[in-house]
Amino acid sequence: GAVVSQHPSWVICKSGTSVKIECRSLDFQATTMFWYRQFPKQSLMLMATSNEGSKATYEQGVEKDKFLINHASLTLSTLTVTSAHPEDSSFYICSATSGSDYNEQFFGPGTRLTVL
Amino acid sequence: RKEVEQDPGPFNVPEGATVAFNCTYSNSASQSFFWYRQDCRKEPKLLMSVYSSGNEDGRFTAQLNRASQYISLLIRDSKLSDSATYLCAVNRDYKLSFGAGTTVTVRA
Repeated sequence: GAVVSQHPSWVICKSGTSVKIECRSLDFQATTMFWYRQFPKQSLMLMATSNEGSKATYEQGVEKDKFLINHASLTLSTLTVTSAHPEDSSFYICSATSGSDYNEQFFGPGTRLTVL
Repeated sequence: RKEVEQDPGPFNVPEGATVAFNCTYSNSASQSFFWYRQDCRKEPKLLMSVYSSGNEDGRFTAQLNRASQYISLLIRDSKLSDSATYLCAVNRDYKLSFGAGTTVTVRA
C-alpha cells in the first residue's frame, strides 16, 4: 500500500512554456502533500506544503506565482511551473501523508524537467 | 548554516565491510529522524526511522544522539546492492529537511 504516482516522469519543454506535474496517491487519501525540488548532487528542498482544499504554504524563497499548486482532492495535487526557464530544470518530487502519521511521507517517483 | 549536514563521501568499501557515517542537524527542536536511500535519478525510499535508544534492521543500525545533535547509520556486511546515496532527514513541525546525502559505493 501507500503508493504515490507522478506524471509525467520526464518532460522537456521550451523556455517560456508552462508545465503541469501531477501527483496522485493511489491507495490512500492524502490530506497533505509536499512538493520538493532536487538539483544535481544537492538535497531535496521543500518547496511547498499543500493541504486538500486550502491554499499551499510556500517555503521562503519559492515564488508562489511561478509554482502554482492545486490540491483539489484527497488523491491529487498538481504543480504548474509557469513560464519555465532553464534554471527551473530540476527533479521535482512529491510526497504525501495520510494525516494519521505525519512522520511518514510516501514519495512519488519524481518528474525530471528539462527546460531548453 | 544548513539545517542538516552530511559528509558527501564517497565511501568506497569492499563487499563484506562495515561502513558508518553521520549526519548533524542544527535545530534542537527537531522531533523525528530518518534515513532514506536514494538511487540515481530515483525518489528517496525510507530505510529506517531513528530512535534515541538506537534501532537495528538487519544489517543496518541507526543511532540518535540528541545531546550532540547527530544521527548515524552503520551498514554491516556490505552488499553490492547497498551502493546508493543515503539521505538523512529531520522532521520538525511536520516538515522534512534533508541532508545532501552520503554516497556509498560497495565494490566486489
